[in-house]
Amino acid sequence: GQNIDQPTEMTATEGAIVQINCTYQTSGFNGLFWYQQHAGEAPTFLSYNVLDGLEEKGRFSSFLSRSKGYSYLLLKELQMKDSASYLCAVSPWRGANNLFFGTGTRLTVIP
Amino acid sequence: TAGITQAPTSQILAAGRSMTLRCTQDMRHNAMYWYRQDLGLGLRLIHYSNTAGTTGKGEVPDGYSVSRANTDDFPLTLASAVPSQTSVYFCASSDSRGSYTDTQYFGPGTRLTVL
Repeated sequence: GQNIDQPTEMTATEGAIVQINCTYQTSGFNGLFWYQQHAGEAPTFLSYNVLDGLEEKGRFSSFLSRSKGYSYLLLKELQMKDSASYLCAVSPWRGANNLFFGTGTRLTVIP
Repeated sequence: TAGITQAPTSQILAAGRSMTLRCTQDMRHNAMYWYRQDLGLGLRLIHYSNTAGTTGKGEVPDGYSVSRANTDDFPLTLASAVPSQTSVYFCASSDSRGSYTDTQYFGPGTRLTVL
């Protein structure tokens, strides 16, 4: 089976930086996704990593190390609206039926 | 564009009754998916479709069926609902004809309660 682990909950202060980790053990690797999900809403795509290294998108960055089965999502200059769940998902192979999700990390941003 | 729409938004259903959850996308994506999301378990794939006319089973297919008569629609049917099917159901789509894994985009979800 596919195993994807991330912390259940995190709390951080407005204006700070927070790093959300994800480790995975999958039968193969074809890419890693991060999604944001506000309470009661649909997951929305944040980032995609297929090669080792850092991908930056404004306040959000995502890092991947394939040899370690490890990724993190870095959120800078935290805002109250960043309070949400962050889902790590791994694609072990190409094509449909190809995305496995972790249980998500619920981030609470406090003033 | 609307992207992906789902209906109904929420539903309370008596155990033993049947129900179809509707999903429509207007992005002309070839692949579509149904997930359920339960507290502590994350998103789990129920069924998927690579292209119109084909479907496949995901991680938790029992008690559910799907059809894909055309590109845009991907209904999910519960033939005889049971309380364990109480969940939030998300439909998603992707254009997986590219040279790399393609991003899945999610609909707003249907909250189903089976009593």
